[in-house]
Amino acid sequence: ILNVEQSPQSLHVQEGDSTNFTCSFPSSNFYALHWYRWETAKSPEALFVMTLNGDEKKKGRISATLNTKEGYSYLYIKGSQPEDSATYLCAFSNTGNQFYFGTGTSLTVIP
Amino acid sequence: DSGVTQTPKHLITATGQRVTLRCSPRSGDLSVYWYQQSLDQGLQFLIQYYNGEERAKGNILERFSAQQFPDLHSELNLSSLELGDSALYFCASSVATSYEQYFGPGTRLTVT
Repeated sequence: ILNVEQSPQSLHVQEGDSTNFTCSFPSSNFYALHWYRWETAKSPEALFVMTLNGDEKKKGRISATLNTKEGYSYLYIKGSQPEDSATYLCAFSNTGNQFYFGTGTSLTVIP
Repeated sequence: DSGVTQTPKHLITATGQRVTLRCSPRSGDLSVYWYQQSLDQGLQFLIQYYNGEERAKGNILERFSAQQFPDLHSELNLSSLELGDSALYFCASSVATSYEQYFGPGTRLTVT
């Protein structure tokens, strides 16, 4: 079983702060890296899929970068809002189409 | 609403029984994925189908099986159920592998 690690496990920030999380994954047999936003009592919601080393994706105040050579991805949230409170999950897929999820970073944005 | 539907929402059954979970993907999506989320574990990938064919297998037990039908809906069959099979089972769909996956609302299975 491959290890996908996310840090920190949880984070509390003030409204308006910018923040970032890390996802570490095996650098061998890389195929894609997925980021999801998961609110309590809901289903994971896709944020980004990145496949190429150096990829950068952006959706509103949220952006992500990918380094496949060293096996990490960063998710950034600029100017956090209370509605950004959720668990942010990353998943690594390999060339065998296997998917491995991290345990998530729980973000709480304090108004 | 992701466009992915799963039935039933909740299922309570006894050990040793067999159940079938159903998933209808978003219109146009050819890939279907099944995931399990147990209380003490994160999301675990079970299996992927693409246009009716099995594409990849993850941590799926031999007691579990799945299929994707010509209309692209998928079913996950769980047999000889054990207490430890109690979990939230998600289905997700995507256009193809490496595209965004859209998750259904999940089926909560309780084995008593």
